[in-house]
Amino acid sequence: EIVLTQSPATLSLSPGERATLSCRASQSVSSYLAWYQQKPGQAPRLLIYDASNRATGIPARFSGSGSGTDFTLTISSLEPEDFAVYYCQQRANWPPFTFGGGTKVEIK
Amino acid sequence: EVQLVESGGGLVQPGGSLRLSCAASGFTFSSYDMHWVRQTTEKGLEWVSAIGTAGDTYYPDSVKGRFTISRENAKNSLYLQMNSLRAGDTAVYYCARDRGGYNPDWYFDLWGRGTLVTVSS
Repeated sequence: EIVLTQSPATLSLSPGERATLSCRASQSVSSYLAWYQQKPGQAPRLLIYDASNRATGIPARFSGSGSGTDFTLTISSLEPEDFAVYYCQQRANWPPFTFGGGTKVEIK
Repeated sequence: EVQLVESGGGLVQPGGSLRLSCAASGFTFSSYDMHWVRQTTEKGLEWVSAIGTAGDTYYPDSVKGRFTISRENAKNSLYLQMNSLRAGDTAVYYCARDRGGYNPDWYFDLWGRGTLVTVSS
């Protein structure tokens, strides 16, 4: 089973700042990685798939990069609605599909 | 409106059974692979099962032999039969759609609001 490790666990930033989130895989997942956003009381929302492709309706301030074992989600300028928990997910080696433990982006 | 709505959660004793349902609307349900994903505070998000458009099914080892995913395209419905439930199965269970349609890519682009399953005596 591929383990995904996200860092940091919590990121404290102000609106307008740049957020950089990391996801590291225990073995290569090629580019088969997605990012999700989850707000309290809501289901996760797909942001990025195949490491760098934005899902339908996702603003351009969200971007993904990386391949192999190291991936990054970047939010170029935080909007108030971006404060949430972010998860990565791999689909390279399954079953099972696995998720990271999450990074919480909170208001500083 | 494109949506998924789960139902069937509740309190069940260890060793008991429960059947979850997911009603799909606003899209061609039969054209998509579908998944169940659960979430707990302790273990985070965990993929629980998948079913293809042809009815092929997939499970992680943690639920294999205890959970059964099924679909009824005529009713636009997805199901999860859960048997031999354990305390560790306590979670919010989400129904989720595969992004890829007839070409599944195993990412989840539409989620329901979830249904809570509590396994406790």
